[in-house]
Amino acid sequence: EVQLLESGGGLVQPGESLRLSCAASGFTFSNYVMNWVRQAPGKGLEWVSTIGRSGSTYYADSVKGRFTISRDISKNTLYLQMNSLRAEDTAVYYCAKDLAGVLAPDFWGQGTLVTVSS
Amino acid sequence: DIVITQTPLSSPVTLGQPASISCRSTQSLVHSDGNTYLSWLQQRPGQPPRLLIYKVSNRFSGVPDRFTGSGAGTDFTLRISRVEPEDVGVYYCMQTALTVRRFGQGTKLEI
Repeated sequence: EVQLLESGGGLVQPGESLRLSCAASGFTFSNYVMNWVRQAPGKGLEWVSTIGRSGSTYYADSVKGRFTISRDISKNTLYLQMNSLRAEDTAVYYCAKDLAGVLAPDFWGQGTLVTVSS
Repeated sequence: DIVITQTPLSSPVTLGQPASISCRSTQSLVHSDGNTYLSWLQQRPGQPPRLLIYKVSNRFSGVPDRFTGSGAGTDFTLRISRVEPEDVGVYYCMQTALTVRRFGQGTKLEI
């Protein structure tokens, strides 16, 4: 059974850093494209970042230069390092895997809430 | 930058009646591999999103056949043939043809 379990969210002050983790199980982690998507309170979905099977990384303009996506294949874990956090980064952060061979997120975790506030 | 526009943003529907959502892109969603990467996702209240349709018209595993995706190039549609109570939620189209992925604003389906 596929499982994605996000952790690491919490309350931080503007300018601080946070690292999110997404523990994956039930599939061969290294074979899949993985994503981070966020949703601000009461708002729509916003794509944040993607890491390809080869390790190529892609970012939304709103986080480029501040966030870093990475993965540890030995630990089956996806990460999102978030630096220089802003109030507008407040959101539930979801990790999601792509459907095999298809550019579409087919399985999502339950999300972890990040609140940036002084 | 690519812009994805969904219409309507809110759709009151009647149980048993059809519903339709439009998704338009400012750029073609045909990938260099020849496939068109436009997906539809459903988000029920309090839940993470769920994939309904991928590559324009392919129904994901377990998705009822009352959901149908269609379109090409820059213009796409999600149709629900007969709305059921469990269809209430917000529907998003999402393009993954470009390395910078993007969602539409979402369409709230309410009974």
